[in-house]
Amino acid sequence: AQSVTQPDIHITVSEGASLELRCNYSYGATPYLFWYVQSPGQGLQLLLKYFSGDTLVQGIKGFEAEFKRSQSSFNLRKPSVHWSDAAEYFCAVGPMDSSYKLIFGSGTRLLVRP
Amino acid sequence: DAEITQSPRHKITETGRQVTLACHQTWNHNNMFWYRQDLGHGLRLIHYSYGVHDTNKGEVSDGYSVSRSNTEDLPLTLESAASSQTSVYFCASSGDRGNEQFFGPGTRLTVL
Repeated sequence: AQSVTQPDIHITVSEGASLELRCNYSYGATPYLFWYVQSPGQGLQLLLKYFSGDTLVQGIKGFEAEFKRSQSSFNLRKPSVHWSDAAEYFCAVGPMDSSYKLIFGSGTRLLVRP
Repeated sequence: DAEITQSPRHKITETGRQVTLACHQTWNHNNMFWYRQDLGHGLRLIHYSYGVHDTNKGEVSDGYSVSRSNTEDLPLTLESAASSQTSVYFCASSGDRGNEQFFGPGTRLTVL
């Protein structure tokens, strides 16, 4: 069955430090992959997406992610974290079952130390 | 600018009451989705629609219904609210297959 795993429930980093959030998926073919960010009390905002082509994808707010087919991973990275990056991050994969549905990971909450 | 809105943003109701949450999008997207978000469960799909008069059940559809009479709106109805339906509800829409979903700001529903 298709699934998305975000193994880290919480991550704490110091402001200015680098960040990597992990995402692993189980899918029968090459999926479409997404990272969303959710600030407190807000809806989800798309950070970046991968459909095909270059496996290193650039997104908004200085984030990037790398698709690694051999590891079934799509990890999110940022070289220098800002306090405003504190939020919850969701990885998603689709389409599901020849549909338009996405399946979401359970999220990783990022805390940023001053 | 195109957007997706939800109303109300906050709602408190009593067990057994019928509640309807509104979702309106101006993207002219055919695909619309309703999710609930609960701590430890991430986002779970309740219902979705691929066009006018089309509705489909998601993974947690019991106790919920939707109807799609036009492209812009997909209201979510709780027929008889239960305390287990206390949650934050998000509406989303998307265009062609593979396109990202755009999310509304959410509705926080409390059932007492």
